[in-house]
Amino acid sequence: ETGVTQTPRHLVMGMTNKKSLKCEQHLGHNAMYWYKQSAKKPLELMFVYSLEERVENNSVPSRFSPECPNSSHLFLHLHTLQPEDSALYLCASSQGGLEQETQYFGPGTRLLVL
Amino acid sequence: AQSVAQPEDQVNVAEGNPLTVKCTYSVSGNPYLFWYVQYPNRGLQFLLKYITGDNLVKGSYGFEAEFNKSQTSFHLKKPSALVSDSALYFCAVRDTGTYKYIFGTGTRLKVLA
Repeated sequence: ETGVTQTPRHLVMGMTNKKSLKCEQHLGHNAMYWYKQSAKKPLELMFVYSLEERVENNSVPSRFSPECPNSSHLFLHLHTLQPEDSALYLCASSQGGLEQETQYFGPGTRLLVL
Repeated sequence: AQSVAQPEDQVNVAEGNPLTVKCTYSVSGNPYLFWYVQYPNRGLQFLLKYITGDNLVKGSYGFEAEFNKSQTSFHLKKPSALVSDSALYFCAVRDTGTYKYIFGTGTRLKVLA
């Protein structure tokens, strides 16, 4: 395993629900990322945090709300989602966000919005 | 703007044969190029990267990739494919001066026994 864990692994929610995805990294990294993976589309970067500060917000709708309370934990709060938000949500981390660094990914949360 | 292209949705190869998964890129400045692999129900796993130096980069599980600046390509290769190599492969480039990785659409590799 890569040292990045995500919970839950699977989530089914209605459009009026509120839920949260959790990511934890055990690698001592300082940068964390949320990606959305949909079928037949490239991975979409959603948010980047470096040293608990959001440094990238890639035009993501406000129904997705990230939170990074410390360098080891990253949350994605979900509310009033749409069916098209159904996807695999991947968390990743890297040492410090430098260009040559490798990202380490968690196993993902498979989200289905009904 | 930086971009990567993986022209093949799927590549089929017989076990024991050499495999190539293609990637071309477009960057301004120095390219930082990566290959990742995704097995079913798993996240992406790092295979190898090119930062600088030798054009032939060796990575995990016997994979290697050749950086070709004139053709702006970074094809992934393996001399002898295994059935267990069957997975989804992603090429990525790091966007210069930002935190963004730009991923290709992925190529599904199927190794047939």
